[in-house]
Amino acid sequence: EVQLLDSGGGLIHPGGSMRLSCAASGFTFRSHAMNWVRQVPGKGLEWVSSIVASGGRTFYADSVKGRFAISRDNSQNTVYLQMNTLRLDDTAIYYCTRGRYGDPKSEFDYWGQGTLVSVSS
Amino acid sequence: DIQLTQSPSSLSASVGDRVTITCQASHHISNFLNWYRQKPGGVPKLLIYGVSNLETGVPSRFSGHGSGTNFSFTISGLQPEDFATYFCQQYDRLPLTFGGGTKLEVK
Repeated sequence: EVQLLDSGGGLIHPGGSMRLSCAASGFTFRSHAMNWVRQVPGKGLEWVSSIVASGGRTFYADSVKGRFAISRDNSQNTVYLQMNTLRLDDTAIYYCTRGRYGDPKSEFDYWGQGTLVSVSS
Repeated sequence: DIQLTQSPSSLSASVGDRVTITCQASHHISNFLNWYRQKPGGVPKLLIYGVSNLETGVPSRFSGHGSGTNFSFTISGLQPEDFATYFCQQYDRLPLTFGGGTKLEVK
């Protein structure tokens, strides 16, 4: 059974840093692109970042480029999102998602349960 | 960036009804469009990928159509668990983008 377990969220002050983790199991992790998607509670979905299966290429939304960094450890079946210089408008539930294929341009066929990041002074 | 305009933004219906949601893309996206359902308090779930392909295990009352810039999603015979929010999403080019969502409520 495919499982994605998101963790690392919490309350953080503006300008602070936080690292999210997503532990994957139940599939061949190194064969799939991985992504982060966020959602302000009660609002729409926003793609944040993607990393190809090998980890060799990464992609970001303009809203987080230069502040966030996605990475993966294919030996530990884990994907990370390092978030720096956090802003109030980064407050959201962050979901780890699996891409069907190795490239980010594919459907998100599995989602983690989400981890809430609250940026507040 | 490719903008996806979903309509309506909300919709009231009854169990057994047939409902259709549309998603219009600002640029041609071929057949690179998906549909997700998010139940209240839940996580989005992939229902349809590549415009019209039903994800494994998804009931056949869900269907999708379209190409280019105009797409539709239909539920034929609403069930209680279908009262939720639905999102379209394009994966033709980065940044990946979602429609604003359609909230389907009980009439």
